[in-house]
Amino acid sequence: KAGVTQTPRYLIKTRGQQVTLSCSPISGHRSVSWYQQTPGQGLQFLFEYFSETQRNKGNFPGRFSGRQFSNSRSEMNVSTLELGDSALYLCASSFNREREAFFGQGTRLTVV
Amino acid sequence: GESVGLHLPTLSVQEGDNSIINCAYSNSASDYFIWYKQESGKGPQFIIDIRSNMDKRQGQRVTVLLNKTVKHLSLQIAATQPGDSAVYFCAETREGSQGNLIFGKGTKLSVKP
Repeated sequence: KAGVTQTPRYLIKTRGQQVTLSCSPISGHRSVSWYQQTPGQGLQFLFEYFSETQRNKGNFPGRFSGRQFSNSRSEMNVSTLELGDSALYLCASSFNREREAFFGQGTRLTVV
Repeated sequence: GESVGLHLPTLSVQEGDNSIINCAYSNSASDYFIWYKQESGKGPQFIIDIRSNMDKRQGQRVTVLLNKTVKHLSLQIAATQPGDSAVYFCAETREGSQGNLIFGKGTKLSVKP
């Protein structure tokens, strides 16, 4: 069974641009959560989607948004990028919202 | 590889010794706890979990202990191997916040051959 797949693995963007990251969960998993990881703040929760609906949201500005499709694949979008958005963005999936979550390799975003 | 924390606590052990990694969690309402291992350049890897109605849970070479009185979690790794070198995170969550894991800062485990 394939694991959680995130694309792309690496991205370099310029301040002010927007970016879209993609996550394909483990087959059969319906819950997808997104996290931001930085050296200073560690792993921080962004949001969680289940059955195409956002169920939980962390303390991030509205520039961070996401969505989930009917096949459970998810995307997150960051608009008007800032230097501080440089981070590893991680996606985790679980079956039916139970808590055992499995992570992808992440997308390394660098904002210059 | 990437740095997942510039000032992480570090635990250095000799190969073959047992390792104990500690974590203090923040919310007394948390009812589910997970330990993750993160190697350089990779996403966190699930190791073991425990629910709040348990004090101890064992896996293969790993044991998690939960002390709810002092809000403390520990991960014990038996016969530590070089492949265990990584950053270890504890995470907590609670009913009503499914999908929202609150992570600790992490501990870097270094295994000397």
